[in-house]
Amino acid sequence: EVQLVQSGAEVKKPGESLTISCKTSGYPFTGYWIGWVRQKSGKGLEWMGLIYPDDSDTRYTPSFQGQVTISADRSSTTAYLHWSSLQVSDSAVYFCARVDYGIDHWGQGTLVTVSS
Amino acid sequence: DVQVTQSPSSLSASVGDRVTITCRTSQSVSTYLHWYQQKPGKAPKLLIYSASTLQSGVPSRFSGSGSGTAFTLTISSLQPEDFATYYCQQSFNTLLFTFGPGTRVDMK
Repeated sequence: EVQLVQSGAEVKKPGESLTISCKTSGYPFTGYWIGWVRQKSGKGLEWMGLIYPDDSDTRYTPSFQGQVTISADRSSTTAYLHWSSLQVSDSAVYFCARVDYGIDHWGQGTLVTVSS
Repeated sequence: DVQVTQSPSSLSASVGDRVTITCRTSQSVSTYLHWYQQKPGKAPKLLIYSASTLQSGVPSRFSGSGSGTAFTLTISSLQPEDFATYYCQQSFNTLLFTFGPGTRVDMK
């Protein structure tokens, strides 16, 4: 069974760094792109970027380029989303997602709250 | 960038109604268009991929059609569990996916 299990909710202050994770199982990790999606409270889905774990080829939507870093660890079959300096506007739920024909499997979401 | 729009932004319907949601893209995406259902507090769920292919396990009352720039999602007979928000998403540009703004389906 394909599973994407994300790390738990985080509460951070502006300027702090954060990495959230997406542990995958049940399929060949290096064979599929994994992406990240942001959803602010009461709003729609925003595609952030994706990574191909086999060669770490990583692409970002322009609005997220330079704001976050996507990475993957083949040994632990885990994808990561990293912020070096959080802003209040980064408060949202973040989903990881496996890309096939469409996005066929999703993590459960990680709530990130940034507040002073 | 490919822009994606949906209409309507919301609709009210009753159980048993036929519901149609439209998605349009700013340039042709061939059939690289997918539909998702999202319920509050949950991750989205893939319903239809490649414009018209039903994802495994999805009820046959859901169907998709279209190609190029105009697409539709149809629910043939709305069921209580179908009240949710629906999103389309293009993947023609495999590096820059784009979601539509969503269509909320609520109970009349």
